[in-house]
Amino acid sequence: GAGVSQSPRYKVAKRGQDVALRCDPISGHVSLFWYQQALGQGPEFLTYFQNEAQLDKSGLPSDRFFAERPEGSVSTLKIQRTQQEDSAVYLCASSLYSGEYEQYFGPGTRLTVT
Amino acid sequence: SQQGEEDPQALSIQEGENATMNCSYKTSINNLQWYRQNSGRGLVHLILIRSNEREKHSGRLRVTLDTSKKSSSLLITASRAADTASYFCATDPTNDYKLSFGAGTTVTVRA
Repeated sequence: GAGVSQSPRYKVAKRGQDVALRCDPISGHVSLFWYQQALGQGPEFLTYFQNEAQLDKSGLPSDRFFAERPEGSVSTLKIQRTQQEDSAVYLCASSLYSGEYEQYFGPGTRLTVT
Repeated sequence: SQQGEEDPQALSIQEGENATMNCSYKTSINNLQWYRQNSGRGLVHLILIRSNEREKHSGRLRVTLDTSKKSSSLLITASRAADTASYFCATDPTNDYKLSFGAGTTVTVRA
C-alpha cells in the first residue's frame, strides 16, 4: 500500500468495554511500533515488533494492553476494560528495519473512553 | 517518559518569515529526527541528523545538532501557511530502536 493505515480512525468506548485497534504497515516493513499520544503531548512508545516477534513491550501502561502481529504484517492493539485515562490517539509506525531508519506513521486512532 | 523537550511551546509568525525551534535532550544519542504533525494527520518525517553531523539541510529546512550541549534546532525559512503544524524532535538513544519524542512546538503561520 501507499502508507501505513489504521482503523478505525475514531473510536468511542464506554468505560469497561474492550477495544481493538488495527494497523496495516507498509508492505515489506520488518519493524512495527505502537505509540500513545495524549492531548498536547508527543507520542510515547508502547511496544515494538520485529516481524511477528514482540521484542519490547516495556511501554504498555498496564496488563490491560495487549498487542499482536501474528503473521508479521497486520498488527492489533487490544485494550481490555477501558478506563478514561486510556483516552488518547494511538499511532502505529513501521520501518524497513529497526534502529536509525525512518519510521512511517499512520494517521492514528483517536480513542475516547466515556 | 519523554527525553526531548522543545522550545518554544508555541510560535506564531507571518508568512515569509523564518521559524526557529529548539530541542534539548538528556542522554547520548545515535541520531535525532524531526517530525511534523498536521491537525488530524499522522507524523511525517522531516529530517534525520546523525550524532557525528553538525548541520543538515533539506529544502527550506535547516537542522543543527550540538551534542556537547545536547541540543538541536530546526529552522524553517520563508514559511508558508502549509507549514502550520506541530513539530517534534525525536531521539534515538545509542543502539535503541525506540523513538523518544518531546512535547512539540506548535507553529502557526499567518497569511
